[in-house]
Amino acid sequence: GDSVTQMEGPVTLSEEAFLTINCTYTATGYPSLFWYVQYPGEGLQLLLKATKADDKGSNKGFEATYRKETTSFHLEKGSVQVSDSAVYFCALRVSNELVFGKGTKLTVNP
Amino acid sequence: NAGVMQNPRHLVRRRGQEARLRCSPMKGHSHVYWYRQLPEEGLKFMVYLQKENIIDESGMPKERFSAEFPKEGPSILRIQQVVRGDSAAYFCASSPTGIEGTGELFFGEGSRLTVL
Repeated sequence: GDSVTQMEGPVTLSEEAFLTINCTYTATGYPSLFWYVQYPGEGLQLLLKATKADDKGSNKGFEATYRKETTSFHLEKGSVQVSDSAVYFCALRVSNELVFGKGTKLTVNP
Repeated sequence: NAGVMQNPRHLVRRRGQEARLRCSPMKGHSHVYWYRQLPEEGLKFMVYLQKENIIDESGMPKERFSAEFPKEGPSILRIQQVVRGDSAAYFCASSPTGIEGTGELFFGEGSRLTVL
């Protein structure tokens, strides 16, 4: 079935470091792809999305490009901040549901 | 504009008891989704409801679990005769148009069920 695989965490970085969180997917067709973020004590919220191949989603300095050839949607940020500490979830849309990866916990130290 | 409200935030039950989890969607949202997050696992889809209708319950266990979204009041996820394996975080999400639209879901903070 359709699935999402994202890199195991936790990831610990220093402030202003470069961030990459890998995400690959398995799906029939070309699903819409998403990154959701969960800050401590809060619910998940949409960070960015892409609906077709080569689309780039971006928000709050984060970017991800829909790569059909590698079935990937890696999340990147050039310079992380302490406030980016959270759990990041990659997801794809299948029919009536979102299929999520297991989440990657990011901790950014000052 | 209040977000998705879930209660209780934490619930402790003994094996064999019933658990009821409530979810009030965002104002103007008539589509509700329930997800479960087991320890060390991602979120797993359980059920999708619109007002008074279950649209997709393909992720719901066949026994002991039920969900409703009445015309008035919150959506309820009910787990009868709980077992230790039901211990998890249960997240509710809502959407104004269904996921076929923007694909964005608005999540609550979750209800954490612990079964002793």
